Amino acid sequence: GNSVTQMEGPVTLSEEAFLTINCTYTATGYPSLFWYVQYPGEGLQLLLKATKADDKGSNKGFEATYRKETTSFHLEKGSVQVSDSAVYFCALSDHGGSQGNLIFGKGTKLSVKP
Amino acid sequence: GAVVSQHPSWVICKSGTSVKIECRSLDFQATTMFWYRQFPKQSLMLMATSNEGSKATYEQGVEKDKFLINHASLTLSTLTVTSAHPEDSSFYICSAVGLTNTEAFFGQGTRLTVV
Repeated sequence: GNSVTQMEGPVTLSEEAFLTINCTYTATGYPSLFWYVQYPGEGLQLLLKATKADDKGSNKGFEATYRKETTSFHLEKGSVQVSDSAVYFCALSDHGGSQGNLIFGKGTKLSVKP
Repeated sequence: GAVVSQHPSWVICKSGTSVKIECRSLDFQATTMFWYRQFPKQSLMLMATSNEGSKATYEQGVEKDKFLINHASLTLSTLTVTSAHPEDSSFYICSAVGLTNTEAFFGQGTRLTVV
């Protein structure tokens, strides 16, 4: 079946460091891929998405490129801030881009120190 | 973005009792709501999908008689964990999708601890 594997956390970085959180997936067909972020005490929020191969999603300085050849959707940010501290979830949907029925990775907790 | 409010954010209950978790869409009509569960160090797993006014669709392995879902209006879905046991202790989170788009909006989640 479909699945998502993302790097285990926690990840601790200093402010302005480069961030990569790896995410790979297994799916039949052509899923849509998502990154969600959960700040402390809040619900998951959509960070970015990509619906087809080679698409690049970007938001708030974060980027991820849908790589079909490596079945990956790694999240990157060039310079993290303390306010980026949160839990990040990679997810896929095989329901035509709908975010209603999602398969999630385990989440990666990011802590950014000043 | 749209807001989904989930209540309570945490609850501790005794084994054998029932617990109700509410999921409300505050500023949009949610035609479909989804309930997920996350065990420690595991992924969020979809438990069930509910559409307003109809019975929920449960994922394989989820007991429908234990996890009662009611989606009585376009802004409210409830999940009731009946006769809770310690193994039901988990993080439960809902999401809602509205009429106008496919984006899902998530509640804050509920940490359930059964003692």
